[in-house]
Amino acid sequence: KNQVEQSPQSLIILEGKNCTLQCNYTVSPFSNLRWYKQDTGRGPVSLTIMTFSENTKSNGRYTATLDADTKQSSLHITASQLSDSASYICVVRWGGSYIPTFGRGTSLIVHP
Amino acid sequence: DAGVTQSPTHLIKTRGQQVTLRCSPKSGHDTVSWYQQALGQGPQFIFQYYEEEERQRGNFPDRFSGHQFPNYSSELNVNALLLGDSALYLCASSFPGGTGELFFGEGSRLTVL
Repeated sequence: KNQVEQSPQSLIILEGKNCTLQCNYTVSPFSNLRWYKQDTGRGPVSLTIMTFSENTKSNGRYTATLDADTKQSSLHITASQLSDSASYICVVRWGGSYIPTFGRGTSLIVHP
Repeated sequence: DAGVTQSPTHLIKTRGQQVTLRCSPKSGHDTVSWYQQALGQGPQFIFQYYEEEERQRGNFPDRFSGHQFPNYSSELNVNALLLGDSALYLCASSFPGGTGELFFGEGSRLTVL
C-alpha cells in the first residue's frame, strides 16, 4: 500500500533557529515528491519538487533532500521566521496514478 | 491570471441538509480534484474530474458527488450532511502533462451543526 509518513507531527521552535522535517514513503514506482506549505485556513502551496535523480534542491531558506534508495526526504528550514509557522505537507506522486499520496503534515510553530 | 477560486468561503449547515461547493480552476487547467481536510489532518482525496468525467474516486460514500462543466469548473455536492462532514474542502487544479503540481484554492470551510 502506498503510504507517506511525516515526522514530527508538530514542532515548536524559536525565531531564527533551524529545523528539519522528515518524510518517509513507500510509494512505488516513484515519480516525484513535493513539499507544500499550508498556512492556517488557506490552501497548500508548492515549495519544491524532487525527482528521482535529484538529491538536494533549495528555494530560499528552504532546502529539500531526497534519498530514493531509502525512500526518505527532508525539508530543512534555515533561520526560521514567524511567517514559517504553517503545516508542511509531503506529497508523493507515483507512476500509474493520477492521484498523489499525501502525508498528514507537520505543524510548525515559530515563536518570537 | 486568476488562480483557483472557490465559493463560498464559509458556510454553516445542519445535519441532513445538502450543500454545493463550487470551484473555478486556474486558467489553462483542465483537471479538478477535490479534497476534504479535517482540522489538524492532511487533505483526503475525494475525487478527480477530467473531461467532465469522474476519473478517480477516493474512499468517500456516495453522498459525495460532483460535476465538471465544459468550462472545466466543478461542483462538489454533499447530501444528508453529518457532523463529521465538517471540514475544509479544497479544490485543486492541474494541467495536462508536466510534473502534476496541484494548485489549490483557499477552500470552503463547512460547519455542520
